[in-house]
Amino acid sequence: GAVVSQHPSWVICKSGTSVKIECRSLDFQATTMFWYRQFPKQSLMLMATSNEGSKATYEQGVEKDKFLINHASLTLSTLTVTSAHPEDSSFYICSARPNGTARNQPQHFGDGTRLSIL
Amino acid sequence: RKEVEQDPGPFNVPEGATVAFNCTYSNSASQSFFWYRQDCRKEPKLLMSVYSSGNEDGRFTAQLNRASQYISLLIRDSKLSDSATYLCVVNPLMDSSYKLIFGSGTRLLVRP
Repeated sequence: GAVVSQHPSWVICKSGTSVKIECRSLDFQATTMFWYRQFPKQSLMLMATSNEGSKATYEQGVEKDKFLINHASLTLSTLTVTSAHPEDSSFYICSARPNGTARNQPQHFGDGTRLSIL
Repeated sequence: RKEVEQDPGPFNVPEGATVAFNCTYSNSASQSFFWYRQDCRKEPKLLMSVYSSGNEDGRFTAQLNRASQYISLLIRDSKLSDSATYLCVVNPLMDSSYKLIFGSGTRLLVRP
């Protein structure tokens, strides 16, 4: 089945550090990937849509200069949290939609990255 | 009004019970609907897609009511392993994207 790999699973770092999270589709190509954030006891909130070869589309209220997205190939999207602060601590999850699938087909989620900023 | 609304629960039921969750969505043009399950501190996993005619997968039955803009999930013969948060998910079709909107989730606790 379709597999999405997300790395790293856990990150603990000091305030001010930039953190890069990778999302890879292992056995399919994905022109479109999605980045979500989930705070404790809340639901997943879409941050941005990552588009291969073009700029990401950010949701309202998400700072594009803070959360840099690069989707340089059909199997890899990266999210960089720049100058992370404690309030950026959250569970970040990516998903990917296999190219050519219909709208009613589900997306495939990575395992998530738990980010803790000290 | 939230785009996707769910009762947060928790629903606390004994093993073997039947439990139902409802979810409402605000965008009448929405086309695709899903139920996901999320265990504590894990990523969401697809439980089932929801089709217009309703669909069943073992102990799980999903229904869609477009007129009232709600989706339901019925779990029969609950197992301890069903304890999780159930997320109602909608593709709102607001644009050409395939982005998903998640409800806040309904927590289910199945007790022995």
